[in-house]
Order: sequence, then structure tokens, then C-alpha cells
Amino acid sequence: NAGVTQTPKFQVLKTGQSMTLQCAQDMNHEYMSWYRQDPGMGLRLIHYSVGAGITDQGEVPNGYNVSRSTTEDFPLRLLSAAPSQTSVYFCASRRGGVDTGELFFGEGSRLTVL
Amino acid sequence: EDQVTQSPEALRLQEGESSSLNCSYTVSGLRGLFWYRQDPGKGPEFLFTLYSAGEEKEKERLKATLTKKESFLHITAPKPEDSATYLCAVQGGTGGSYIPTFGRGTSLIVHP
Repeated sequence: NAGVTQTPKFQVLKTGQSMTLQCAQDMNHEYMSWYRQDPGMGLRLIHYSVGAGITDQGEVPNGYNVSRSTTEDFPLRLLSAAPSQTSVYFCASRRGGVDTGELFFGEGSRLTVL
Repeated sequence: EDQVTQSPEALRLQEGESSSLNCSYTVSGLRGLFWYRQDPGKGPEFLFTLYSAGEEKEKERLKATLTKKESFLHITAPKPEDSATYLCAVQGGTGGSYIPTFGRGTSLIVHP
């Protein structure tokens, strides 16, 4: 199994540009989420989804948009990139419902905004 | 609000020098405490889940323990390949989505 796949692995943007980080999982997980990881800040939750058609905001949602049209895919959109969005982004998934199973993470997408 | 504090932030050990990493937490209705390992440039990888005080789990040189307020990750006779950042997360029972809360991690370097 591929697990959680993120693309691209690296991206450089100019301030004001838009882009989409892709995330796909092949484990039929209901729960999917996006984190950003910055030095000294740990993992901070951006948005999450408990199933197709359902999304909600995490700790740091401003400047980001998500949608969940299928169980497999959970793209993260940056509408107008800012230097403060320079970070490493991780997508993670797990079984849904009240199950507290572990998260499965992708390899990360490193974004630099100039 | 769930909170997780990990200490120390960084730890340097000599190969074979055993030590422990701490994860202190506050949570409303613990439904799980998780340990992950993260190698540089990679995503976190699951190690253990602990559910109740007194529970212990082991994997190779790692042993995780849990009390009502903290968890320890004991590393026995570490090797250089154990060098990584270790993340702790808790999941509480309030709210409908059971979102995990992560600590900032402990960066471990094991020197040969």
C-alpha cells in the first residue's frame, strides 16, 4: 500500500501566488487532516475532515482552504501565498468515528514563499 | 483545552547511555496517548498508543509508560540509529472529532 501520498515535495512561490498541495490516501480512512510544522512550534492543525463533504477548521486555518469531495483526497489550497506560510506541511489520516487509532502521515511538502 | 509539554527539548546521549523523555499532559477524558518518531525530512511514524495509567509498551530499545499526568519514553542502551525527534500526542474524549494535540517534541542525538 502507498499509504498517504503528498505532492509536491518541494515548492517555491512568490507572494500572492496561489497553489494546491495534494494529499491522497488508499487506506479508506474517514479522518484526514493537514498540519504545518515550523521550528520550535511543533505540529499545528490547519484543517481536518471526518468524512467526504465534511471539513472543519483547526488551530491555524487563516489563509488556507480545503474541500473533501472523495474519501481518498484532501487538497489544501493557498489562495494568496504569504511569507508567513513558509513551512513544512504534513497530511495525516486515520480511521474515523470514535476510534482513536494512530495517525498515518505523508512525507511532507516543503513550501517556501518569497 | 488539551495540553502537552515535552521535556527536554533536546537530548544528547552517548551510545549505550540510557535515558528517558518526558511528556506531561492535561486532557479531558484521555482516550489515547501516542508516541511518534520523526526522522529529518520525513513525516512522523507511529510508535505506541497507551490508554490507561499503569500501561506499558515496548519495542526494541524503547519502552513507553503512562501515569495520570505524564508519560515516559525510556530508551535503553541507545544506538546512533535511534537519533530522531520523538513526538507525544494526546487525544481527549470531548468534542465529536477526537482531534489529537501534539507536543513540540524532543530532539534526540545519540553519538557513537
